[in-house]
Amino acid sequence: SQQGEEDPQALSIQEGENATMNCSYKTSINNLQWYRQNSGRGLVHLILIRSNEREKHSGRLRVTLDTSKKSSSLLITASRAADTASYFCAYMNRDDKIIFGKGTRLHILP
Amino acid sequence: EAQVTQNPRYLITVTGKKLTVTCSQNMNHEYMSWYRQDPGLGLRQIYYSMNVEVTDKGDVPEGYKVSRKEKRNFPLILESPSPNQTSLYFCASSLFHGVGQPQHFGDGTRLSIL
Repeated sequence: SQQGEEDPQALSIQEGENATMNCSYKTSINNLQWYRQNSGRGLVHLILIRSNEREKHSGRLRVTLDTSKKSSSLLITASRAADTASYFCAYMNRDDKIIFGKGTRLHILP
Repeated sequence: EAQVTQNPRYLITVTGKKLTVTCSQNMNHEYMSWYRQDPGLGLRQIYYSMNVEVTDKGDVPEGYKVSRKEKRNFPLILESPSPNQTSLYFCASSLFHGVGQPQHFGDGTRLSIL
């Protein structure tokens, strides 16, 4: 399969804690994106990191990229109930096709 | 408001009855794409279009057709639907093709083929 893999598949944490999700991919990439999907809705773009960047921040989001390990991580700090969603990474493979990972389901407990 | 609009949102139909899911975007985007989402499999690309009259197969194109006669519209056609096409479908668009451009997604169409 060309799909990326998110890890873990599911994650439950207490509100206020930090959540970390990982994405592994299989080809060389130029960019990698992270998306959020609320239940039953379309995906919403969160952040993009380029292959020459190692870390990027946006509000409570921190994304890292390790091209030598072909992996990326998404950290959500000080989690809130509204962060409950599924999170997907996306990248372009050598055939110029956009590949989405299988997602991490994040549940924030009150 | 910038958006991608899919219709219908829900459809239950029977095997073999042709159906079309419409997708329209109002952002003048060149790139449009269809995905299906199944439990445990994530999103898989069905077809995509780089621009008007330019379409190409994604990872799971079998049983589907698309057309791109106008920039804003990218309908997905199931000529003879089968139960294995029961899924949640998403249309997406971006300014142009590339992971450097964020994709804007519709709210999805849930298809049930009996």
